[in-house]
Amino acid sequence: AQKITQTQPGMFVQEKEAVTLDCTYDTSDQSYGLFWYKQPSSGEMIFLIYQGSYDEQNATEGRYSLNFQKARKSANLVISASQLGDSAMYFCAMREGWGSQGNLIFGKGTKLSVKP
Amino acid sequence: ETGVTQTPRHLVMGMTNKKSLKCEQHLGHNAMYWYKQSAKKPLELMFVYNFKEQTENNSVPSRFSPECPNSSHLFLHLHTLQPEDSALYLCASSQVGGTGGRTGELFFGEGSRLTVL
Repeated sequence: AQKITQTQPGMFVQEKEAVTLDCTYDTSDQSYGLFWYKQPSSGEMIFLIYQGSYDEQNATEGRYSLNFQKARKSANLVISASQLGDSAMYFCAMREGWGSQGNLIFGKGTKLSVKP
Repeated sequence: ETGVTQTPRHLVMGMTNKKSLKCEQHLGHNAMYWYKQSAKKPLELMFVYNFKEQTENNSVPSRFSPECPNSSHLFLHLHTLQPEDSALYLCASSQVGGTGGRTGELFFGEGSRLTVL
């Protein structure tokens, strides 16, 4: 079974509008971390935002926020005020267990295209 | 100097060639990783090194041979590859434990695009 599921292979959004990228995860651990990465056409994976399983508040980093719904096992990324430079692949990932030890398991990604 | 640098950025090789991919991190991290990214598939973890010791080998074929001479450098030696090995190979580093805090996010290089003919 897939640990990380991203159901949207591609998304379009108008510049300056908000967009939500979906991510659901599967784990039996109580402690885990959730990550979102952006991959532009250059290839580099850029870390965007982190949410710990015990965090009570949804994580925010500038225009990025993570809509964490623990009971539903979802960790959707919300990008506000989209910019043309946001066009890229976006990957959701999970680390099971506590702390910074352990590997990241990635989803298949969502390709976001921002229209002018 | 960017955090994680990979060379070469592009590599074309025949099935009988021997080549190496190089990764260098300038972030003072203690863990380094090789991932394979193929079209329409999730990133696949290949190898993990913590403090220069290999801690994970994710059932990778022996035609891929990693080397980690110190905590800043990581190599992936390639020999007798198959066309299905064509992919983007991403190197990453992270700080595990200690000052790594609770997130320990991975920092990636731009990848080496490998084509096997």
